[in-house]
Formats: sequence, C-alpha cells, structure tokens
Amino acid sequence: KQEVTQIPAALSVPEGENLVLNCSFTDSAIYNLQWFRQDPGKGLTSLLLIQSSQREQTSGRLNASLDKSSGRSTLYIAASQPGDSATYLCAVSREGAQKLVFGQGTRLTINP
Amino acid sequence: NAGVTQTPKFQVLKTGQSMTLQCAQDMNHEYMSWYRQDPGMGLRLIHYSVGAGITDQGEVPNGYNVSRSTTEDFPLRLLSAAPSQTSVYFCASSYGSYYEQYFGPGTRLTVT
Repeated sequence: KQEVTQIPAALSVPEGENLVLNCSFTDSAIYNLQWFRQDPGKGLTSLLLIQSSQREQTSGRLNASLDKSSGRSTLYIAASQPGDSATYLCAVSREGAQKLVFGQGTRLTINP
Repeated sequence: NAGVTQTPKFQVLKTGQSMTLQCAQDMNHEYMSWYRQDPGMGLRLIHYSVGAGITDQGEVPNGYNVSRSTTEDFPLRLLSAAPSQTSVYFCASSYGSYYEQYFGPGTRLTVT
C-alpha cells in the first residue's frame, strides 16, 4: 500500500529565506507526483506536476524535484514571502491505479 | 470558466438524516473524484468516476453513494448521516487521474 509522508508537519521561517519542503513515498512505481497549496478554509490549488520520467519542474520561485528510486520529492521555494504561507501537500498517482494518495501536508508560515 | 463548484459551503445534519453534496465542473473533464479531509488523516478518496455512467470506490466509500449521469455533475449522497462523517468534503476534476487535478472550494459538514 502506498504511503506518503511529509516532514515536518509545520515550518516557520523569516521572510526572504529559501526553503525546502519534503515528501517521501513508499512505492516507487508512481506515474507522477503533484504538489498542491491549500489556504485556510479553501480548496487545493495545483502548483507543479512531475512525471515519473522527469527529474524536476519549475514555476516561478518554485522548483520541485523527484527522485523516484529513493522515493523522495522536494519543493524548493526561493525568496519566501508572507503570501507563501499556506499548507503544502504532495500526492502521488500509481501506475494502473485511478487515484491519488496524499501526504498530510506541511503547514508553512513566513514571518515578515 | 467557473471551474469546479460545490454546494453547499456549510451544512449541519442530525444523525440519520440524508443529503446530497453537489459538485459540478465546466471544463469537460472525464475524471471526477470526492475526497474527505480530516485532521491528522489527510485527504482520503471516497469515490471516483472516469466518465459518465462509470463510478468506482476509493479508500473510504462506506456510507456514501455516487452516480454520474452527465460529464459535468458528480453528486455525493450520504444515506444516513453519522457523526463520523463530520468532515470537509472536496470534489476534484481532471482529464484523468494522471493529470493536473482541479479542486472545488469544499463543503464543511457537521453531523450532530
């Protein structure tokens, strides 16, 4: 059974810092991995999707990497801003399975 | 495009009552899914559909029914509400489970 873990559960950093969020998964037979952002009381917004054949994807100040063999992904946020404060979730889809498995998320706070 | 819409935003039910959570999308997506989000449990898949007339169970389907008569709509029915169904419910849609997922704003349900 695929399990997805995100550590730490919460992270607080001062504005301007570069930071890394971690996501690990137990079954390397994934099709892709997605990173989402969730603001309090809101739905999820897709940030980046990495196919299993890719090593990384970039969007603005965000860079997501994928190491399928070791079962790890990281989300790098450059020059953090208070507006980046949110919960970040990763999810994997497995080959042949019509569903996503989510991690529990990392709650990020950027302090001005 | 309105994207994925969910109604109602909030709902309070008494144990044993039934209700339908509505989900609609205007992006012509074939894949739609329902998740529940609980503290400490993350998002868990309830039911999903790969197209009109086709539905399947996810990780936690007990107590919930779905049907998909059109591409646009994917309602979730609670047959006899229980306090354990107190949660935030999210609907999502995409071109397929391997594609970027678009989430609705959620329905916060309380069962007393």
